[in-house]
Amino acid sequence: ETGVTQTPRHLVMGMTNKKSLKCEQHLGHNAMYWYKQSAKKPLELMFVYNFKEQTENNSVPSRFSPECPNSSHLFLHLHTLQPEDSALYLCASSQGGTKNTEAFFGQGTRLTVV
Amino acid sequence: GQQLNQSPQSMFIQEGEDVSMNCTSSSIFNTWLWYKQDPGEGPVLLIALYKAGELTSNGRLTAQFGITRKDSFLNISASIPSDVGIYFCAGQAPNAGKSTFGDGTTLTVKP
Repeated sequence: ETGVTQTPRHLVMGMTNKKSLKCEQHLGHNAMYWYKQSAKKPLELMFVYNFKEQTENNSVPSRFSPECPNSSHLFLHLHTLQPEDSALYLCASSQGGTKNTEAFFGQGTRLTVV
Repeated sequence: GQQLNQSPQSMFIQEGEDVSMNCTSSSIFNTWLWYKQDPGEGPVLLIALYKAGELTSNGRLTAQFGITRKDSFLNISASIPSDVGIYFCAGQAPNAGKSTFGDGTTLTVKP
């Protein structure tokens, strides 16, 4: 039990589909993150939310749309993805603010775009 | 922005051997973190370091925060097969608000 739960664990979707990834944290943290991890590549930070406000978008294509309705929940809405978007998508949370340090990760969603 | 150089990229060792890996930064960090990622899972925090020169152990793992604040080391003693995985360092610069991750060290342990 990591305190950060991601659903689904696995997702296969067509390029014309619309799907959403969900992340929930039970740690009382105020910052949440989406990372992309492709095979044999380092972690790529996608989005950062602090106190429900998006504070960072690392030039992510608009086919990825994040949503943070509250400090405990984070979504990643997906539409018209490409095969190269297939990867492990990791959600993480941390205390938040300038003193946030330790990030706690979920188990990830393995996404395959066909 | 900050850049981390983690080395080695991969290691193949025999069970029982000791392992050492490190990360260096182009700028100073206030915090160094070490994570392990098992296949198909998210990274799990192993050790957190908050002070230059700090040496912290977690079982067979020992990590150090370099005195220059630009590097950190992770050592694993007497490796076992379940040590297999990818080890990531991460650092947080003053007032950065987020951590920067290294590219990872993939460890393979042969029984």
